[in-house]
Amino acid sequence: KAGVTQTPRYLIKTRGQQVTLSCSPISGHRSVSWYQQTPGQGLQFLFEYFSETQRNKGNFPGRFSGRQFSNSRSEMNVSTLELGDSALYLCASSLATGLDGYTFGSGTRLTVV
Amino acid sequence: GQQLNQSPQSMFIQEGEDVSMNCTSSSIFNTWLWYKQDPGEGPVLLIALYKAGELTSNGRLTAQFGITRKDSFLNISASIPSDVGIYFCAGTPSGTYKYIFGTGTRLKVLA
Repeated sequence: KAGVTQTPRYLIKTRGQQVTLSCSPISGHRSVSWYQQTPGQGLQFLFEYFSETQRNKGNFPGRFSGRQFSNSRSEMNVSTLELGDSALYLCASSLATGLDGYTFGSGTRLTVV
Repeated sequence: GQQLNQSPQSMFIQEGEDVSMNCTSSSIFNTWLWYKQDPGEGPVLLIALYKAGELTSNGRLTAQFGITRKDSFLNISASIPSDVGIYFCAGTPSGTYKYIFGTGTRLKVLA
């Protein structure tokens, strides 16, 4: 079966712009989580969506937002980009609670210049 | 926020050697997962642990859920060059479904 698909793979944006990243989970998975990965901070939890509702949220500013659609696909938006937002953004899906383990996508590499 | 201490941060080993790494927390965890990440890719789940004391193997990999529920260990036996990568532990604190990730152990294998 198809894995978790994230698009685009690479993105270059200018400071102050906004960006939308997309994640298609494994078919049948209803939970989608987003992580930011940077060399200095490791994997930082952004938020989790389940059945179109945000179920958990990490400690990121309001510039970071997300949503989930009825088909479980999820998008993440970052407004007013800052240089420090440059990172690998990973999406992970799971059946329901995530206790069965996440399946990660390959990530979107965002570079802010 | 809550953090997991993962050690060592990095290690160089000779091919064929055994490797050990661990993850510790100041609070009780209900679940421990171990992931491996190759360059340019997302982490891949290696082993999942759900019960204190549980010992689970996946090929040359063995992981254990510490009996105090505050730590977990991953061992790799007879390492090979493709074991190179970053290994992450992740756990769910008691009472939550939110995973917290360790900072990773970067493994480099010298042939």
